Amino acid sequence: DVKVTQSSRYLVKRTGEKVFLECVQDMDHENMFWYRQDPGLGLRLIYFSYDVKMKEKGDIPEGYSVSREKKERFSLILESASTNQTSMYLCASRLSGQTSYEQYFGPGTRLTVT
Amino acid sequence: SQQGEEDPQALSIQEGENATMNCSYKTSINNLQWYRQNSGRGLVHLILIRSNEREKHSGRLRVTLDTSKKSSSLLITASRAADTASYFCAVKPSGGGADGLTFGKGTHLIIQP
Repeated sequence: DVKVTQSSRYLVKRTGEKVFLECVQDMDHENMFWYRQDPGLGLRLIYFSYDVKMKEKGDIPEGYSVSREKKERFSLILESASTNQTSMYLCASRLSGQTSYEQYFGPGTRLTVT
Repeated sequence: SQQGEEDPQALSIQEGENATMNCSYKTSINNLQWYRQNSGRGLVHLILIRSNEREKHSGRLRVTLDTSKKSSSLLITASRAADTASYFCAVKPSGGGADGLTFGKGTHLIIQP
């Protein structure tokens, strides 16, 4: 079974702090994704990566950056956390070339910015 | 951007009853998928239906797709308390482009014991 893990289940940070959210998958998937989930808005794509050192902006990239130095790890970075970035963050991965586009999700990180 | 929209937003039924959720989308798709999310957890893939399919079954799940109406429905038969969760549809637009899925806002299903 595919396993996607995220470094923290809950995180509390102060406004202005630099925040790193880590995601690791163990199935050699090329594609990885970061979403945020907010009540009433569903899941929105922040960034995704096709492969190591490759990244593409999703629908809401403002205020975020990402890093993909190794295939199994995809990091989401909040350069200067703000209260409107309080949210649930979900990481996902999928195998490139898979025609189903099924994504495998991690358990999520609930980030609170105070 | 295109977005799947689930209907209803919330649904409460008695255990043993059937639950039906609907999803509408806006443009041509390659496939449509349904995911489940238990409270405070990540999403789990349930079932996929391709644009050239009309109906698909998996255990107690039945999915239909009507591409002319740009809509899909998810039926859960003989519901159980463990089915309590949020259900999301996600579409993969056709015509290439990014690999990301576009998710709806979800239907929150509560199964009353």
